[in-house]
Amino acid sequence: QVHLVASGGGLVKPGGSLRLSCAASGFSFSDYFMTWIRQAPGKGLEWLSFISQRSDDIYHADSVKGRFTISRDNAKNSLYLQMNSLRAEDTAIYYCTTVSQSSIDFWGQGTLVTVSS
Amino acid sequence: DVVMTQSPLSLSVTLGQPASFSCRSSQSLLHRDRNTYLSWFHQRPGQSPRRLIYRVSNRDSGVPDRFSGSGSGTDFTLKISRVEAEDVGVYYCMQGTHWPQLAFGGGTKVEIK
Repeated sequence: QVHLVASGGGLVKPGGSLRLSCAASGFSFSDYFMTWIRQAPGKGLEWLSFISQRSDDIYHADSVKGRFTISRDNAKNSLYLQMNSLRAEDTAIYYCTTVSQSSIDFWGQGTLVTVSS
Repeated sequence: DVVMTQSPLSLSVTLGQPASFSCRSSQSLLHRDRNTYLSWFHQRPGQSPRRLIYRVSNRDSGVPDRFSGSGSGTDFTLKISRVEAEDVGVYYCMQGTHWPQLAFGGGTKVEIK
C-alpha cells in the first residue's frame, strides 16, 4: 500500500525558510516522477514542482520559481521541498504526490505551512 | 499556460439523483501520442484528494461504477449516476497533456439537499 507522509510544516515568519520532507513507502519510489501540490485555506489545488526519477528533469511553477527547490533522495525514499523567501500567500497545506502517465495517482496526507509575523 | 474552468461552482443534489460536472480547458488536451490526459479527483472535507478517473474515462481501482467520465478536446464531464452521502466534497479536474504543468480546475463543491 502506498504511503506518502509529509512533514516539516509549521509557523514561519515572512522572509523565512522551511524544508518539507516526504517519506515514501509501499512502492518503488525511484521508479516514479514526484510532485508537490499545495492548497491554500479554503482554496483549490496548485501544482508547484515536479522532479523526474533520477532528478534530471525538474520544473517549478512560476509562482515559486527561484524561491522553492524540489529534490529527492532515492536511497532514502524521500522527497524534499526547500522553501525560501516565504510570503503570506505561501500559507497552505503542502502535499507530495506520485505521478504516472501524466496524472497524479497517489497523494500524501499533507503538511500545513503558515507564514505569518 | 493551460487554464481549466469548472462549472458549476457548487451543486446541491438529492440522494439517489444524478449529478454532472463540467470541465473546460483553454487548449485541446489531445496529446500528440493520441491520448487525452484529463483526470478527475474527489476531496472530502479534511482529507487529501483522491483520483477517480484518469485519461478522461478510466476509473481507478475501487471507484464505484456510478462515476463516469467523458469528453474530448476541450470539453469534459464527470457524471455520478446516483449520488450517495459519501460523494460530498469538492471535485477537481486536472490536465496533464501540457506537461509538466499540471493545471487544476477551480473545483465543484457537492452537497446533499
